[in-house]
Amino acid sequence: AQSVTQLGSHVSVSEGALVLLRCNYSSSVPPYLFWYVQYPNQGLQLLLKYTSAATLVKGINGFEAEFKKSETSFHLTKPSAHMSDAAEYFCAVSRGGNEKLTFGTGTRLTIIP
Amino acid sequence: DGGITQSPKYLFRKEGQNVTLSCEQNLNHDAMYWYRQDPGQGLRLIYYSQIVNDFQKGDIAEGYSVSREKKESFPLTVTSAQKNPTAFYLCASSPGVGQPQHFGDGTRLSIL
Repeated sequence: AQSVTQLGSHVSVSEGALVLLRCNYSSSVPPYLFWYVQYPNQGLQLLLKYTSAATLVKGINGFEAEFKKSETSFHLTKPSAHMSDAAEYFCAVSRGGNEKLTFGTGTRLTIIP
Repeated sequence: DGGITQSPKYLFRKEGQNVTLSCEQNLNHDAMYWYRQDPGQGLRLIYYSQIVNDFQKGDIAEGYSVSREKKESFPLTVTSAQKNPTAFYLCASSPGVGQPQHFGDGTRLSIL
């Protein structure tokens, strides 16, 4: 079965600084990978997805993620943090086909003014 | 606009009572899901359905029941057998299992 590990349940960065949220996966076959964002008392919104095309994936709100097979990683980055980026972020993996998504436990991002 | 509607936004349950959470989608998606979210535990899958009149248990199905009589609707019943029902419940749908999921805004269930 596939799984994801999100390193760091809480991450704080200063406004304007680089955002780096870590996600490592385990999968026996090439995975489909996703990042979602959740604002307080709301559902999850898809930020970006990797489905075996380009390894660098650009998403909404200036976020991007790079699929690195050798490191089994799919870290999420944004060059310059904005106050509106404060939220919880979830990484998810699937093997495609009829395989369900498996979610990580989430990383809460705090932006320091 | 297409989307997923969950109702109510807040729900209170008395001891020994069953309650039903509503989830409706107009995205014409085949697959629908129910998740439970507790602080620090991420999302845990309760039930999912790939097609009308069919559904499968997820990781934490005990104390919950679902039905899928229509493509658009996937209600979740939290039964009295669920001893710790206080949580944030999220409904999602996708074109097929394994594809990106679209989420509703959730229902927060509390015990009176």
